[in-house]
This record gives sequence, structure tokens and C-alpha cells, in this order.
Amino acid sequence: NAGVTQTPKFQVLKTGQSMTLQCAQDMNHEYMSWYRQDPGMGLRLIHYSVGAGITDQGEVPNGYNVSRSTTEDFPLRLLSAAPSQTSVYFCASSYSTATSDTQYFGPGTRLTVL
Amino acid sequence: DQQVKQNSPSLSVQEGRISILNCDYTNSMFDYFLWYKKYPAEGPTFLISISSIKDKNEDGRFTVFLNKSAKHLSLHIVPSQPGDSAVYFCAAPRGSGYALNFGKGTSLLVTP
Repeated sequence: NAGVTQTPKFQVLKTGQSMTLQCAQDMNHEYMSWYRQDPGMGLRLIHYSVGAGITDQGEVPNGYNVSRSTTEDFPLRLLSAAPSQTSVYFCASSYSTATSDTQYFGPGTRLTVL
Repeated sequence: DQQVKQNSPSLSVQEGRISILNCDYTNSMFDYFLWYKKYPAEGPTFLISISSIKDKNEDGRFTVFLNKSAKHLSLHIVPSQPGDSAVYFCAAPRGSGYALNFGKGTSLLVTP
């Protein structure tokens, strides 16, 4: 199993450009989520999905869009990039059981917006 | 409003000694806690967890203690090794567990 994969690893955008960060998992997990990590801020939840076709907002959703058309994929779209979106982005997935909340993380995408 | 708090941004410990990382939480409904470890340029990886029905969970050199009355948990690493140098995040599940509430992290440096 590849686990959780993310592409690209690095990306530089200009203000106003749009792009999609890709995330895929091969563990048949129902739950998937996107976080951003900023210095001194920990990991903050952007959007999450509890299954194909179901998504919802986390604590910092503005400027981002998601969709979940398959169990495996959960892309994150930046509609019009801003310097405040410079960050490291992590995708995660987990089983939907009451006894296991362990999330598995991808390696991250480092995004710089100029 | 951050529900999981790690008030020490960094900690430096000598190799072979004990490392103690602390975490506080505000939501008394939390019934499960996790610690994640993160190396630079990698994603966080699960380290150890504890259910609220326990006050201690041990896995090799890592032990997590939970004090529900104080809403406090701590991660003990004994003995500390240079390879333990990383950022450690304390976390608790959101809702049904679809995502996690993370603390801001503590950067641990273990010096030889």
C-alpha cells in the first residue's frame, strides 16, 4: 500500500492564480481531511469528508474548495491564491470507527504564493 | 478558541534523560487523545494514544499519562535519544473522529 499520497511536493504560485493539490489514499478509508501547518499555529483543519459525495468545512475554509467523487481521491482547490495561503498542506485519511481515530498523513505540499 | 493547548513551543533534553511534553485541553467531552510526531519535510505520524477510561498507556520508551480532573496529559520519553528530535503534537478527535483538533506542537531537541 502506498498509504496517503500528495502531489505536488512543492509549488510556487503568483497571487490570483488557481491550482489543485492532489490527495489519494489506497486504504479504503471513509474519512479524509485537509490541514494546513503554519509556524507556531499547529495543524488547522481546512475541509473534511466523511465519504464520497460528502464534504464539510473545517476551521479555516475560506479560499479553498473540495470535492469527493471517489473514496480514494480528495483534491483541494485554491480558487485565487493569496500570499496568506503560503503554507504546508497535509492530507489525511482514517477509518470511520469509534475505537480508532488514528489519522494517516501524506508527506505534504509546500506552497508559496508570491 | 483552541481546545487543545501545548504551551511549551520547545524543549531541549540531554540524551538518556527523560523528556516530558505537556498538553492541556478545555473540552471535557474529549474521550480519546493522540500524540503525533513530525520530522521536517514529512507528514505527522501516529505515536501513541490514550482513552479517557485509562490514566496511563505505555509503548516501549513512550508513556502517556492522563489526568482528567486537571484536563491535562503528558508524554514521557525515557530514555530520550537524538532520533526523538522532532515536533510533537497532542490531538483529540473532532466529532465522530472525522478529523483531529491539534495543539500547536512542541519541538523537542535531544542533544548527545
